[in-house]
Amino acid sequence: NAGVMQNPRHLVRRRGQEARLRCSPMKGHSHVYWYRQLPEEGLKFMVYLQKENIIDESGMPKERFSAEFPKEGPSILRIQQVVRGDSAAYFCASSPPDRGYSNQPQHFGDGTRLSIL
Amino acid sequence: AQKITQTQPGMFVQEKEAVTLDCTYDTSDQSYGLFWYKQPSSGEMIFLIYQGSYDEQNATEGRYSLNFQKARKSANLVISASQLGDSAMYFCAMREFEYGNKLVFGAGTILRVKS
Repeated sequence: NAGVMQNPRHLVRRRGQEARLRCSPMKGHSHVYWYRQLPEEGLKFMVYLQKENIIDESGMPKERFSAEFPKEGPSILRIQQVVRGDSAAYFCASSPPDRGYSNQPQHFGDGTRLSIL
Repeated sequence: AQKITQTQPGMFVQEKEAVTLDCTYDTSDQSYGLFWYKQPSSGEMIFLIYQGSYDEQNATEGRYSLNFQKARKSANLVISASQLGDSAMYFCAMREFEYGNKLVFGAGTILRVKS
């Protein structure tokens, strides 16, 4: 499967624990995006990364959330000290290098469903 | 103001008929892109179709077409010859090039195809 790979598909954590969500972009894609989808809502942008760089984190909560996309390995979305309100589906998307006003769609993974007990 | 508005929370369509899902957007950017994604009950997000603000022709992809009316700021998705497998949530999204690569999504429309 050459698509965007996210794992785990489902993750259960207790309040106060840490959650780590992983995303491997499609082959040839160097841009990674994270979105959050609360129940019955659309997706909300969180962060946009390129290798070793955070480009836009305007949608990230100020505390407890962090993201990285290292030179080697997958992108990681990390949520520390999780609370019930963090329960959501977290989607990763990737796209190839931007060529200005291009029509490159973002291709999404299947998401990680995070449940907080 | 909402950037993307999808006014139809739910729609029904008879199998083999066409259906239009509405999307209006709000931007002051001259350069932007509009996307439609499908989310079936299994949860994945599937890219359907794209329309650029400078595109003069309406986009088409198989049974999907986009009715783009720039002056009215609308980008409605038309699905022709509906199939049972089209039952899903449909999201309209916009990328404003002035604001980088992020997509802004609407709240979605649930489509149910009846046999």
